[in-house]
Order: sequence, then structure tokens, then C-alpha cells
Amino acid sequence: EAQVTQNPRYLITVTGKKLTVTCSQNMNHEYMSWYRQDPGLGLRQIYYSMNVEVTDKGDVPEGYKVSRKEKRNFPLILESPSPNQTSLYFCASSFRPGGNQPQHFGDGTRLSIL
Amino acid sequence: GENVEQHPSTLSVQEGDSAVIKCTYSDSASNYFPWYKQELGKRPQLIIDIRSNVGEKKDQRIAVTLNKTAKHFSLHITETQPEDSAVYFCAASVMFSGGYNKLIFGAGTRLAVHP
Repeated sequence: EAQVTQNPRYLITVTGKKLTVTCSQNMNHEYMSWYRQDPGLGLRQIYYSMNVEVTDKGDVPEGYKVSRKEKRNFPLILESPSPNQTSLYFCASSFRPGGNQPQHFGDGTRLSIL
Repeated sequence: GENVEQHPSTLSVQEGDSAVIKCTYSDSASNYFPWYKQELGKRPQLIIDIRSNVGEKKDQRIAVTLNKTAKHFSLHITETQPEDSAVYFCAASVMFSGGYNKLIFGAGTRLAVHP
């Protein structure tokens, strides 16, 4: 089954404790991105990757890091999480890079930073 | 910066009525306009999209219209059913330097369909 898989689905942690949210897709998509969803703000892009070893900042990159060592994986790293990063996070992928392709979303990761 | 405005933020209708959600965008070069439906606790899922060379697209009870001159596009749901209750997001592609484009999302509309 074609899908985007995120882990964990839920995480409660404390300020400053490094965490990684994994994202994997099995569709051989070139383009992957991370969004955060906050009430009243819709989906805002954090980082995106056009292909292996090619990443760039989205609209709200502060406090986040990403890597793209393999085509299928695109982890989101919070080196020193803070309470304002409490949010619902979605990984997405599309066959070709850019914003004119349907995006396939993962199931989401709800992060709570205390 | 480029943005997408979506209205209304909440919409309540009776089962069988029509629902209309409207979005406006600022980048005149935008050429792709998808709509996503997000049920409670679920991922956003694409329900319909339209490209700038088309003015209207329909898929069963769902239709999208695009007015490029006015820079707005709308989602129309006819004969609404309780399972249409969800948050709906519009989005528009925007072009950045280097030829890269990405999606900018509206803030979402929470649609409630009452039996």
C-alpha cells in the first residue's frame, strides 16, 4: 500500500530534550516536506527536500532540522524543543518537486513540549 | 509575503443543503489549486484540485471554480451529508526564485453538517 509513515504518532516530552520524528514514504517520491498545523493558522511548511541531500527552509524553520540521506526517509529533528513547538506535525511527499503536485500526507504526529 | 485567505472559518449547514467555501490568493502566477479534507484526528486528503487553464471542475457532489482575474477559487459541495463534516483546506501554488514553487494553505474551514 502506498503511504507516508510517521513515528511516533504522539509524544509528550520536556523542554530541551532532543527528539526526532521519522517520516518514510514507499512511493519513490522525490519531494518531501514537513508541516505544522496550529488552530487558525492552517498548515505551515517547516522544511522541504527536493531530493536526496537537497533540503531547504520553509516558512517556519526556526528550531528545527532535517536530513535527507535516503530518498524514502525525511526525519524532523528538534535539537532543543520548546513549548511553542507544541503542535500537530505532518510529513508529506509528492512524485515531483514543487507545489503543483498533489501532496500525500502522513497520519500526523502530535507533539506536546512541557 | 504570498498568502491565501479562506472564508468562512466555520460553516454549519443542514443535511441536503449546499456548502460553499471561498479562498483568495495573492500571487497572480499561481497555477495549481488543491482542496484537502481533514476528518477529526486524520490526515489531510486531497479531494479535488484545479489548474489555471480550467475554470471549473466537478467530481460527483464536489465542484471547484476558479476566477483567475479576481484571484479567487471556491469549493462547492451539494447535497451535503453528515460524513462531509470535516475541516477543509484550500491551497495555492506560489513561485519562488530558482523556479521552485510550493503550496500555501488557507487557515481552514470547519464544516458541520447536521442531520
